[in-house]
Amino acid sequence: EADIYQTPRYLVIGTGKKITLECSQTMGHDKMYWYQQDPGMELHLIHYSYGVNSTEKGDLSSESTVSRIRTEHFPLTLESARPSHTSQYLCASRTGGRDTQYFGPGTRLTVL
Amino acid sequence: KNQVEQSPQSLIILEGKNCTLQCNYTVSPFSNLRWYKQDTGRGPVSLTIMTFSENTKSNGRYTATLDADTKQSSLHITASQLSDSASYICVVSDRGSTLGRLYFGRGTQLTVWP
Repeated sequence: EADIYQTPRYLVIGTGKKITLECSQTMGHDKMYWYQQDPGMELHLIHYSYGVNSTEKGDLSSESTVSRIRTEHFPLTLESARPSHTSQYLCASRTGGRDTQYFGPGTRLTVL
Repeated sequence: KNQVEQSPQSLIILEGKNCTLQCNYTVSPFSNLRWYKQDTGRGPVSLTIMTFSENTKSNGRYTATLDADTKQSSLHITASQLSDSASYICVVSDRGSTLGRLYFGRGTQLTVWP
């Protein structure tokens, strides 16, 4: 069982609200990732980090931003949520090399 | 273009039966292939991982095969259980970046009926 946590698990908010999705891992992994997944579709990488103070955008353009101030913490922020942001957001981490990525349980976001 | 295609898209089987899920990929240069199980509303959990030189890997009732020449993989589930109902995702990693870039299939949604 991987020690990677996401909160909240479910979130329903109105358009225009600012939200932060939390992700933390206790495995000391350097690399962390955020994916977006719609029902029946593949995961799309939206952000990743090689380590503290390192953040990069992924393949799928996203209006969200991330920060990596501490190794264990990789929060994702939406300044102004819109219905198009409705999706499942998965956080993952891995150590160096090509080890397996461990996924958190996900946050299902619904923007009304 | 690096892609991962899975079939079938969905599958329904009776408890106790066997099934095989397919994965074709075009990712190059190839590093490894993983099968993940994703329960509804949860994050994916790794089942198996295979590198270029491995052509079979087992994890309990799950057996994955890899043919690196034809770029095909399969996941065989033996004596299915109700708890096997989930989405099974094929994930291929390339060798060309330090990121260890992953390419995800859309998954096969397996439903096991009693």
